Amino acid sequence: DTGVSQNPRHKITKRGQNVTFRCDPISEHNRLYWYRQTLGQGPEFLTYFQNEAQLEKSRLLSDRFSAERPKGSFSTLEIQRTEQGDSAMYLCASSLGLLNNEQFFGPGTRLTVL
Amino acid sequence: QKEVEQDPGPLSVPEGAIVSLNCTYSNSAFQYFMWYRQYSRKGPELLMYTYSSGNKEDGRFTAQVDKSSKYISLFIRDSQPSDSATYLCAMAGYNFNKFYFGSGTKLNVKP
Repeated sequence: DTGVSQNPRHKITKRGQNVTFRCDPISEHNRLYWYRQTLGQGPEFLTYFQNEAQLEKSRLLSDRFSAERPKGSFSTLEIQRTEQGDSAMYLCASSLGLLNNEQFFGPGTRLTVL
Repeated sequence: QKEVEQDPGPLSVPEGAIVSLNCTYSNSAFQYFMWYRQYSRKGPELLMYTYSSGNKEDGRFTAQVDKSSKYISLFIRDSQPSDSATYLCAMAGYNFNKFYFGSGTKLNVKP
């Protein structure tokens, strides 16, 4: 257990529904990242927060995806109007920042869109 | 062309063998290079973290970075069945705003 938690661990939804995932980083970690990972591939960067500010967002992230990190603590990732191609593992990672950028990953949320 | 290329394997070796895992990259702005290990249905865990060119050793693991060739390697000595996992290389620029991962190499160490 790295100290990064994600909920839910599994989510099955029907195409067209909205889903929201939550990530609780290690406390005092300033940096928070979201990734998507499909079978046989490495994690693909989605977005990055420094405290509450979203500083980087992948061009691959369509407008159906939105992420927030209110008050610089936990973060949520919402996918609207889900498509079958959204089926993947969604990973969250956090790091302390400053001179320590070691990322600690959560266990992930596995999304299945039927 | 992908930013980071990694042979997906699978790589199968006998217990005790030396394992060599490699990645190439195209972006000369990458400054930090990492190796992660990922077991099935788990999040990646950091193994090695290096800055710029050179070697770094930690127990049975050695990471090498050759920035002139845009090539990084991870060596595992005296491999164990518990090393069986997928190994991911990752890279970042100076500000760590974005990490780029390879596709992962699946390693199987046979007892």
